[in-house]
Amino acid sequence: QITLKESGPTLVKPTQTLTLTCTFSGFSLSSSGVGVGWIRQPPGKALEWLALIYWDDDKRYSPSLKSRLTITKDTSKNQVVLTMTNMDPVDTATYYCAHHYFDTTNFDYWGQGTLVTVSS
Amino acid sequence: QTVVTQEPSLTVSPGGTVTLTCASSTGAVTSGYYPNWFQQKPGQAPRALIYSTNNKHSWTPARFSGSLLGGKAALTLSGVQPEDEAEYYCLLYYGGAQLWVFGGGTKLTVL
Repeated sequence: QITLKESGPTLVKPTQTLTLTCTFSGFSLSSSGVGVGWIRQPPGKALEWLALIYWDDDKRYSPSLKSRLTITKDTSKNQVVLTMTNMDPVDTATYYCAHHYFDTTNFDYWGQGTLVTVSS
Repeated sequence: QTVVTQEPSLTVSPGGTVTLTCASSTGAVTSGYYPNWFQQKPGQAPRALIYSTNNKHSWTPARFSGSLLGGKAALTLSGVQPEDEAEYYCLLYYGGAQLWVFGGGTKLTVL
């Protein structure tokens, strides 16, 4: 059974750096074809894909946010970490991580999400 | 900037059939965009329904189907149930740029 859970601060101040952790079980990020992605959703708005890391440590970023994002993995801890620098109130959103298959570009299992508010 | 467009809202009667579409600003959507469809109900995380155009997950109800229609990705619900009322998002893969883009979502009302 695949599960994912996001964790991190619920409140960050403008200009600060956000660090989110996705802790998962039921799969290994060292298995060929597997990835973990991050997606966010501002309140009342649409989903936005942010970043993805593959089993081989290949990484993909949204072009509009690439300069602010870093995605890393710790295979031994079954964790993926997303950092976003220079946070702004417009970055207020629920942040989700999701399991991904390379072959079918498939995001099948999602975490419950974590709401991050950016405010001074 | 690549934009993926969905109908903002649709209404369907219980037992009816409705088709949601997903268009790309870059041109016709093909299987190479690996269209995904997700259902999201208020306060819940998105739930995956369809991947790679027309493949269902093990939990996807049979009344949901995916296809390509007139240069767009499409999600068809046949025999709509009240519990199908939700927001539906498509997701397209742009292999050249190696990125994914979500559509703006379609709010489906069952009335």
